[in-house]
Amino acid sequence: GESVGLHLPTLSVQEGDNSIINCAYSNSASDYFIWYKQESGKGPQFIIDIRSNMDKRQGQRVTVLLNKTVKHLSLQIAATQPGDSAVYFCAENGEPRNQFYFGTGTSLTVIP
Amino acid sequence: ETGVTQSPTHLIKTRGQQVTLRCSSQSGHNTVSWYQQALGQGPQFIFQYYREEENGRGNFPPRFSGLQFPNYSSELNVNALELDDSALYLCASSSGPPGQVGEQYFGPGTRLTVT
Repeated sequence: GESVGLHLPTLSVQEGDNSIINCAYSNSASDYFIWYKQESGKGPQFIIDIRSNMDKRQGQRVTVLLNKTVKHLSLQIAATQPGDSAVYFCAENGEPRNQFYFGTGTSLTVIP
Repeated sequence: ETGVTQSPTHLIKTRGQQVTLRCSSQSGHNTVSWYQQALGQGPQFIFQYYREEENGRGNFPPRFSGLQFPNYSSELNVNALELDDSALYLCASSSGPPGQVGEQYFGPGTRLTVT
């Protein structure tokens, strides 16, 4: 079955620095990926998505990179702020469509 | 804030009891998926409903069942509760027919504690 994993379970960055969160996936047939942010006690919040026909997608302060050759995703957060502190999940689509497989998450802590 | 709402926010039940959790999907979304998130883990897919019919199921036993109503709201029912059912239950809504994948938005979740 599919598996989505994250390279680093925890990440601490200084406020204002850039953050990079990595994710590996195993199903080469997955064609859609979403990054979610989850704050304590809340549901996952949609950050940005990317389809497999793209290598890069940019949002407001966030960029997602997709490397299909090595089945790797990354989320880059520019000028990290204290409000960015949360657990970040990457999710890949499975079957049925709109079912997503999640990794265990990376906990990002921003140091003021 | 998404337009996905869930009730109740917290619930405490005893082992062996039954529970019903509710979800209202975002306006315009006709697909609802339910996930279970154990502490420190990523969400695990339970099942999905599209236009009132189950459209796929994860690795959960039959005592987990669901419904979707004509207004696309949904219920998750769990019978014969076990201690391991303690988790955050998340509802997510999306639009589009089966076979089409798109943005999925989560509600705030219901925290279920089984004692």
